[in-house]
Formats: sequence, structure tokens, C-alpha cells
Amino acid sequence: DTGVSQNPRHKITKRGQNVTFRCDPISEHNRLYWYRQTLGQGPEFLTYFQNEAQLEKSRLLSDRFSAERPKGSFSTLEIQRTEQGDSAMYLCASSLLRTGETQYFGPGTRLLVL
Amino acid sequence: DAKTTQPNSMESNEEEPVHLPCNHSTISGTDYIHWYRQLPSQGPEYVIHGLTSNVNNRMASLAIAEDRKSSTLILHRATLRDAAVYYCILRDPGGSQGNLIFGKGTKLSVKP
Repeated sequence: DTGVSQNPRHKITKRGQNVTFRCDPISEHNRLYWYRQTLGQGPEFLTYFQNEAQLEKSRLLSDRFSAERPKGSFSTLEIQRTEQGDSAMYLCASSLLRTGETQYFGPGTRLLVL
Repeated sequence: DAKTTQPNSMESNEEEPVHLPCNHSTISGTDYIHWYRQLPSQGPEYVIHGLTSNVNNRMASLAIAEDRKSSTLILHRATLRDAAVYYCILRDPGGSQGNLIFGKGTKLSVKP
């Protein structure tokens, strides 16, 4: 257990529905990252926050995706109008900004869109 | 971030040492070499990182070539629990991107 928790761990939804995932990082960590991982591939970066500010978004983050970190603590990732191609593992990581920072990953939320 | 090249898969016997190679010929002077691993059905886990000198911790050792164009992650005695995908990642802490860029990594199988 790295101290990063994600909920839910599994989510099955029908195409067109909205889903929201939550990440609780390690409490003193000011950076929070979202990644997506499909079968057989390494994780791909989606977006990251420093405190409550969303500093960067990947091209993978279409306008159906939105992420928030309202008080600089937990974060949510929402996918609107889900598509079958959104089926993946969604990983959250947190870190403390410093040189050579280590990212601590949560167990992920596995999404299946039917 | 510069690109890394790793073998797709490797096999090892339990309790034997494992050397996982990584090539990074375009590494810049400020890139740190990070290793993460991902056990089945889990998120990635930090293993070790270094800049120029060899590094040791409780999990592994990192041997960095003198020209820094390659590195090797060394597991001194592989256990069944070490079966995972190992990712070698270069990261410039002063760069604008905070994220890690993962490749496909090396899938390590450990035989009893």
C-alpha cells in the first residue's frame, strides 16, 4: 500500500453514461497525476495538478474528460458520454515536488464500457 | 524526455541475480534515470533512480555506464514476487513536464 487510494477499483458502465473516479493522494504531496493504461501498454499521461492548479493536459484528454482538485487534496476524473475506447485502467499518482521526485501510484480504477 | 530502449521480456530463475538493461543514447546531462515496476493488477511502484553514480537500495541496484548512455537494474536474488513489468524512464526534474513517460518496459518472468 503506497498511501494513494482510488475509488472505485472497478467500474462497468454502458456507452454514453458518465463516470467519475476519485483519487486520494498522500496527504503532504502537492503534485497529483492521472494516467491511463490499456492492456499491454505502459501508462500514458493524462493530466497533472500542482496543489489545486491543473498545470498540464495531454492531447489524450479529450473534451469529454475533466479533472479537478478543488482544495489541493483529493482529485476527481470525470468522463462524460463514455465510449468503448475509454475502457482502460485509470491510475493516479502523487509526489512531493523536489529534485528527482518519486511518484507513488494508487491501485487504479479499471473501467469497462459496454 | 529522451527515449529509452528495453528488451520486451526476460526470464530468470528464482534466487538468481537478474540484470535488466536499458539503453538511453540520447540522454541529456540533466536527465535522471528512474526505474519503476508494475506487478500484475497493481499500479507502478518506484524501484530506484540515479544520475551518474551507481545506486543501491533495499530493492535493487542501479549500475549506470560511464557515458550514461545505458544503465542496468540489478535484482540480486530474484523472487517470485519480482515477476513484473520493469520500466526505465528518463526524467529531467527541471523540465516543464512533471509526468513520467512510460514505454512498454521489460516483462520479467521468474521461474521457481
